[in-house]
Amino acid sequence: GENVEQHPSTLSVQEGDSAVIKCTYSDSASNYFPWYKQELGKGPQLIIDIRSNVGEKKDQRIAVTLNKTAKHFSLHITETQPEDSAVYFCAATPQNTGTASKLTFGTGTRLQVTL
Amino acid sequence: DTAVSQTPKYLVTQMGNDKSIKCEQNLGHDTMYWYKQDSKKFLKIMFSYNNKELIINETVPNRFSPKSPDKAHLNLHINSLELGDSAVYFCASSEYSEKLFFGSGTQLSVL
Repeated sequence: GENVEQHPSTLSVQEGDSAVIKCTYSDSASNYFPWYKQELGKGPQLIIDIRSNVGEKKDQRIAVTLNKTAKHFSLHITETQPEDSAVYFCAATPQNTGTASKLTFGTGTRLQVTL
Repeated sequence: DTAVSQTPKYLVTQMGNDKSIKCEQNLGHDTMYWYKQDSKKFLKIMFSYNNKELIINETVPNRFSPKSPDKAHLNLHINSLELGDSAVYFCASSEYSEKLFFGSGTQLSVL
């Protein structure tokens, strides 16, 4: 089955700096890679995703890059703000399955943005 | 008008008891899920369920059983609770895709 590794486990940045979280996956059949943000006391929320036919995707201050050859993908947050503080999860799955039952999550990164 | 709602938010109980967690989604999604998040924040799927198929993670003890009275509800029943069952349980749903919508979680503490 799929194995997703995520680094770092904790990340502290100053407000305004950039943050980068990296994930690697093992199953070459995986071709859908979402990122979820979990705020304290809440459930994870999808913030951005990328499919294997795309190398990079941006949404305002958030971007995700994918290197299929190396089997790794990364989340980039620019101009970090205190409200970006949360736990971030990467995930991987074969796409077009019609279900998330094969979605494998990484172990999470706790991001803290300090003033 | 919460999309995926689960109750209770907190559940404290004794070892050996039987308990249920309820989940409802008003998104019209076809598939619902239960996830377990341990103390290290690791998210692991327990079940996925739609009208046609129940997929059970093979590592889930048979003390855990999902019950779906209709497409909008998926409840989780746990028999003979053990200390190791303490965790946060998340309900989620999706519509013919891999995109998950999570509830806010139920923190279960077994004493």
